[in-house]
Amino acid sequence: DAGVIQSPRHEVTEMGQEVTLRCKPISGHDYLFWYRQTMMRGLELLIYFNNNVPIDDSGMPEDRFSAKMPNASFSTLKIQPSEPRDSAVYFCASNPWWGENTEAFFGQGTRLTVV
Amino acid sequence: GIQVEQSPPDLILQEGANSTLRCNFSDSVNNLQWFHQNPWGQLINLFYIPSGTKQNGRLSATTVATERYSLLYISSSQTTDSGVYFCAVHTDKLIFGTGTRLQVFP
Repeated sequence: DAGVIQSPRHEVTEMGQEVTLRCKPISGHDYLFWYRQTMMRGLELLIYFNNNVPIDDSGMPEDRFSAKMPNASFSTLKIQPSEPRDSAVYFCASNPWWGENTEAFFGQGTRLTVV
Repeated sequence: GIQVEQSPPDLILQEGANSTLRCNFSDSVNNLQWFHQNPWGQLINLFYIPSGTKQNGRLSATTVATERYSLLYISSSQTTDSGVYFCAVHTDKLIFGTGTRLQVFP
């Protein structure tokens, strides 16, 4: 398997524009997570899905952020409108199931810069 | 929510030295992972270790779930070990610790 695939790898956009980040999880994985990494706040969980259903979105910072998982092989994280403080690295991760003998795998991240 | 603290926050070593990184968590967990974030930002899986000890080459990890901590041992460190080491605990979700930044100099 190619692992978790995120696109784009880098995104530079102007304040106020809509940004869409994409993630393809590992095939067969039931769980998908979106994280944001900044120097100030470290790695924060934004939202996670189980079998395409959002389970916990309590980490989504504002209504400007939304996430969807229309099918088992694709998820999006959208920011509309974007602001400079949204600049961060956004990671997607997937996990086959939840329990002791399992592990989450991360994509390479999308570095977002909002100017 | 659960708190996950790592120590030390920063570590500077000369090549060949050994080190121990610690991860403390405030509540019971289902599982625990260790990651290495390399200088290019990639998160690399090292171990998943809900309890007991695992070894992989120069790295080993031990989790004592009843006492709510895990340790990562790096022996004979190399410059390529530089980066940030994270532990992450599985509760109903995956929560990351604060990280240990390791710099290994030749």
